[in-house]
Parts: sequence; C-alpha cells; structure tokens
Amino acid sequence: AQSVTQLGSHVSVSEGALVLLRCNYSSSVPPYLFWYVQYPNQGLQLLLKYTSAATLVKGINGFEAEFKKSETSFHLTKPSAHMSDAAEYFCADGGYNKLIFGAGTRLAVHP
Amino acid sequence: DAGVTQSPTHLIKTRGQQVTLRCSPKSGHDTVSWYQQALGQGPQFIFQYYEEEERQRGNFPDRFSGHQFPNYSSELNVNALLLGDSALYLCASSYRDILAGVIDTQYFGPGTRLTVL
Repeated sequence: AQSVTQLGSHVSVSEGALVLLRCNYSSSVPPYLFWYVQYPNQGLQLLLKYTSAATLVKGINGFEAEFKKSETSFHLTKPSAHMSDAAEYFCADGGYNKLIFGAGTRLAVHP
Repeated sequence: DAGVTQSPTHLIKTRGQQVTLRCSPKSGHDTVSWYQQALGQGPQFIFQYYEEEERQRGNFPDRFSGHQFPNYSSELNVNALLLGDSALYLCASSYRDILAGVIDTQYFGPGTRLTVL
C-alpha cells in the first residue's frame, strides 16, 4: 500500500543552523513526491516536487530535497534556518493521482 | 490570477446537520480534489472530481459526497454530521494531462474550518 513516513513529529533548530526533515515513501509505482508547508491557520503551500527529471530538486525559500530510490527517501534540507521557516511541513506521494501525506513535522526555529 | 478559493472560511454546525463547502479552482485547472485534515494530522484524501464525475475516492463513508460543475468548481457535502467530522477541509486543484495519464501538481486553497458541536 502507498504510504509516507515522516520521522520526527517535532524538529527544533537554531536560527542559521541546518534544517533536515526526513521523509520515506512506500510506493509500488514511480513516485511523484512533494513537500508542502503549512503556516498556522492556512492551507498548504508547495515547496518543491520530484517528477523524475532530476534527483536533486530545488524549491522556494532556499529549500531543496534529494530523491534516493535505494533508500526510498526524499529528505528536505535548508542550509541556514530562518525564523520565518517555523511551520508544519508535509511530505506527500502523488503516484496514484491522489496525494498521500505523511503525518507532518513541526519545525521550530529559536534565536 | 486568483488561486484556489474556498468558502466559507469557518463554519459551526451541530451533530446531525448537513453542510456544503465550496471550491473554485485555479484558472486552467480541471480537476478538483478534497482532503480532510484533522487537528494535528496530515491531510486525508476524500475524493477527486474530473469532468463532473467522481474519479477516485478515499476511505470515507457515503455521508461525504461531492459535485463538480461545468465551470470546474466543486462542492463537498457532508450529511448527518458527527463530532469527528470537525476538521479543516482543503480543496486542491490541478490539471489532468490526458496523454501522460497523470494529474499535475495540486495547489491548495486556504481551507474551510468546520466545527461540529
């Protein structure tokens, strides 16, 4: 069955530190993988997507993600965290034309 | 270019009542998907509409129904509301690539917060 696992429901980093949010997928078809961000009381905003064109995907706000088929992973990174990055982040697999989401990771950024 | 819009923003209902939520897709999009996001959880797929027909459905009871209009806008109806239906309901629109057999990236609206008392 199609599923997405996000390791770590809460991640806390200092401003300027590396951000690493983990995502593993389980899909029997080539995955279409996405990262979305959700700010409080808002909908989901697309950060980036993987559609097999390149394994390293660059998104908005300095985020990027690397697709690793051997590890079935699609981890999200940002070299230097900013206070405005504090939000909930969701990884999703759209391989069956519907999005299957992970449970989300809440990122906290402290001074 | 307006993005995905949803109405109303907030809604309060009592158990047993019925509710209708509305969604207008981005310009150029022809597919609408609905998701339920309970507090503290990831969104769960409810169903998807294309060419005014339900094309896919998630694990939701028949109390959840929908409709898509010729202008691609969509409604989500929930009958016999339960306390557990309290959630943020998200609409997402996308374009269906017929040749590739896939839908493109889904873009989300701001959601409708439904509270059932």
